[in-house]
Amino acid sequence: DAGVTQSPTHLIKTRGQQVTLRCSPKSGHDTVSWYQQALGQGPQFIFQYYEEEERQRGNFPDRFSGHQFPNYSSELNVNALLLGDSALYLCASSLAGIGYTFGSGTRLTVV
Amino acid sequence: TQLLEQSPQFLSIQEGENLTVYCNSSSVFSSLQWYRQEPGEGPVLLVTVVTGGEVKKLKRLTFQFGDARKDSSLHITAAQPGDTGLYLCAGSRSNDYKLSFGAGTTVTVRA
Repeated sequence: DAGVTQSPTHLIKTRGQQVTLRCSPKSGHDTVSWYQQALGQGPQFIFQYYEEEERQRGNFPDRFSGHQFPNYSSELNVNALLLGDSALYLCASSLAGIGYTFGSGTRLTVV
Repeated sequence: TQLLEQSPQFLSIQEGENLTVYCNSSSVFSSLQWYRQEPGEGPVLLVTVVTGGEVKKLKRLTFQFGDARKDSSLHITAAQPGDTGLYLCAGSRSNDYKLSFGAGTTVTVRA
């Protein structure tokens, strides 16, 4: 039973570029949440997707956007990258918001 | 600003010693979870506590939820090098889909 799969595992981008991160949820899960974890910090909630809609959003600018597909997989898009966007981006899936399983994350470095 | 405050930030102990990590907040949570995160990996759920005053044991790990559901503690008995990692507490509040994380406690157990 595959857990949460995230791709790519590592990514280096230049300031001002755009990036797309991908997440496949655990089998049977229908809800996907995205978190940003800066070095030495706990994860910060970006947004949650359920039934292909953004259900809740954290305190992140509009440069951060997402999408959920009919198969429950999800993408996180970040536009106009800043150095401060460098972080580990985590995807967590759950069934109706209960029992979160986290992926291993995508390490984004902005140079 | 973290909704949940964890202490201490760092903890280094010898194998066989005991340790306690604290997670405090001024907010009431409907449930609180503890995770352990290894470098380069996503957080792995250890336990979920939902009832004020609840105590759960997982082998050498003991978790307690405060009576007012605002705080929690994690106690490890006879720590082993395999217990090394970043311990994160995360809370869920009623009518809120996100998990609010503490900044984490980095535990190092020396052989």
